[in-house]
Amino acid sequence: EIVLTQSPGTLSLSPGERATLSCRASQSISSSHLAWHQQKPGQAPRLLIHGASSRAAGVPDRFSGSGSGTDFALTISRLEPEDFAVYYCQHYGGSFVLSFGGGTRVEIK
Amino acid sequence: VQLVESGGGLVKPGGSLRLSCAASGFTFSNAWMSWVRQAPGKGLEWVGRIKSKTDGGTTDYAAPVKGRFTISRDDSKNTLYLQMNSLRSEDTAVYYCAKDRATGTFSPPDSWGQGTLVTVSS
Repeated sequence: EIVLTQSPGTLSLSPGERATLSCRASQSISSSHLAWHQQKPGQAPRLLIHGASSRAAGVPDRFSGSGSGTDFALTISRLEPEDFAVYYCQHYGGSFVLSFGGGTRVEIK
Repeated sequence: VQLVESGGGLVKPGGSLRLSCAASGFTFSNAWMSWVRQAPGKGLEWVGRIKSKTDGGTTDYAAPVKGRFTISRDDSKNTLYLQMNSLRSEDTAVYYCAKDRATGTFSPPDSWGQGTLVTVSS
């Protein structure tokens, strides 16, 4: 099973700032099989990025994904008030077992 | 796309529970479907997946639930199920039903239900 480690655990930033979230895999994975989800309190998750860098339908272009091999990142270019949430990376292919990272909380500084 | 879970509740350790997920707004029979859970105050944990019958209808499970949980589907009713047996306190979580983004290949969930809470406690 591939283990995904997200860092930092919490990111304290102000609206308008840039956020960079990291997701590291325990072994090399195909970038085709890496996704990012956003979850706000009391809500179900929402798919943001699939295939490491492709935005899901309706996702604003301030969200971007990058990376390959074992190191992946989600960047929010300018934080909007609605972006303060928890973000999870997910590996979803190449093996039968899927996995999520532990999450990064983006909070208002 | 709408996914509505039901069947959650309080159950004693060792007990069983069956969750249902009613799907609408898409061709359910073509979809690969997943269950994901979230313990109180914790992160997301993938539970398992069922492929479409066209793609074999096979299931895969996370290690903590393998042998205890069974995912099934009734395409005539557009409904996904999660049968949970031998429940443990660590199974306490909100259980989400989710539709995978693509058919015929591995893809992440792109639509989620609102979740149903399962509490395992004596």
